[in-house]
Amino acid sequence: RKEVEQDPGPFNVPEGATVAFNCTYSNSASQSFFWYRQDCRKEPKLLMSVYSSGNEDGRFTAQLNRASQYISLLIRDSKLSDSATYLCVVNPATASKLTFGTGTRLQVTL
Amino acid sequence: DGGITQSPKYLFRKEGQNVTLSCEQNLNHDAMYWYRQDPGQGLRLIYYSQIVNDFQKGDIAEGYSVSREKKESFPLTVTSAQKNPTAFYLCASSSGWTGVGQPQHFGDGTRLSIL
Repeated sequence: RKEVEQDPGPFNVPEGATVAFNCTYSNSASQSFFWYRQDCRKEPKLLMSVYSSGNEDGRFTAQLNRASQYISLLIRDSKLSDSATYLCVVNPATASKLTFGTGTRLQVTL
Repeated sequence: DGGITQSPKYLFRKEGQNVTLSCEQNLNHDAMYWYRQDPGQGLRLIYYSQIVNDFQKGDIAEGYSVSREKKESFPLTVTSAQKNPTAFYLCASSSGWTGVGQPQHFGDGTRLSIL
């Protein structure tokens, strides 16, 4: 089983839609969780950290479910500019190492 | 402006040649990392360094070497032993001596191709 698994997509949604991605992780001792965004042929950029209590940043909401070992990202009121690949990132309790999922591609259309 | 600078943006390697990718950061971060990304694939860790004069192998270190003589700099050498070097190389850094729990911030990458 992969350490971090994501549905590769693509998720094709119309502008204004709400879309959610899940990501599962295998190491129950994982401590830190993040969502990154990567545009085509660009570097990943931190979108948000994921806290145990869940957290929101504008149209983006991240949640952590430790019991089922998954994190989620909800995007409300999708914009064309949200089109990108979203990477789930987990710290597997090994010092200084983050494990990146292969990403979920989102395409927002008119 | 604080950030991570990678150079060059594009690099071409001849067979049997070693090439060095530069990574400099002015974020005062202790930890630095090198990743490789192949088309349609996730990031794979090559090497990382938690502190000056110390570094550890990642998951795919064979054919690569690094040095960490200064806090700001973490160059990656792709040696001739790396038979499939064509990829997008990303350098990252994070604060704190272990980086645990800290997000990583990336440079804008170097695309390496074989001539």
